Amino acid sequence: GENVEQHPSTLSVQEGDSAVIKCTYSDSASNYFPWYKQELGKRPQLIIDIRSNVGEKKDQRIAVTLNKTAKHFSLHITETQPEDSAVYFCAASKSGGGSNYKLTFGKGTLLTVNP
Amino acid sequence: DSGVTQTPKHLITATGQRVTLRCSPRSGDLSVYWYQQSLDQGLQFLIQYYNGEERAKGNILERFSAQQFPDLHSELNLSSLELGDSALYFCASSGKNTDTQYFGPGTRLTVL
Repeated sequence: GENVEQHPSTLSVQEGDSAVIKCTYSDSASNYFPWYKQELGKRPQLIIDIRSNVGEKKDQRIAVTLNKTAKHFSLHITETQPEDSAVYFCAASKSGGGSNYKLTFGKGTLLTVNP
Repeated sequence: DSGVTQTPKHLITATGQRVTLRCSPRSGDLSVYWYQQSLDQGLQFLIQYYNGEERAKGNILERFSAQQFPDLHSELNLSSLELGDSALYFCASSGKNTDTQYFGPGTRLTVL
């Protein structure tokens, strides 16, 4: 089955700096790659996603890039703010037929933005 | 607020007991996914239902079962509970033939 590796496990940056989180996946048939932000004790919140027919997607300070050949994708957060502090998860899924889009998650990255 | 609801928020029970977790998907969504989140295993897919039918199974123990009802809400049943079953249980929903999943607030299960 699919395996998703995520690095780093922890990341500490100064406010205003950029943060980059990287993920690799194993199944070349995976075609959907969402990123979730999870604050302590809260639900994972979808912040951005990308599909395999797109190489890059941006939403304000957040961007995601996908390299299908290398089977890796990355989350970029610019101008970080203290409220960006959370655990970030990458995930991968593929259409399994019959509307099956189960997500395989990375282990998460704890991002701390220091004021 | 994602529109996905889960009850109860917290559940404390003893080993050997059985509990039922409930999830209501977003209005119009047909798929419900269940995930378990623990410190050592991370977020793991358990099972998916689509319009009342089981569609996919992940690392779900035989002691666990689920179902989706005609009104599309879903229940996850956990029986013969063990200490290691303590975790956050999330459900997520998605629409017809879409891959975007929205998570509910979760149920924190503590087995003593």
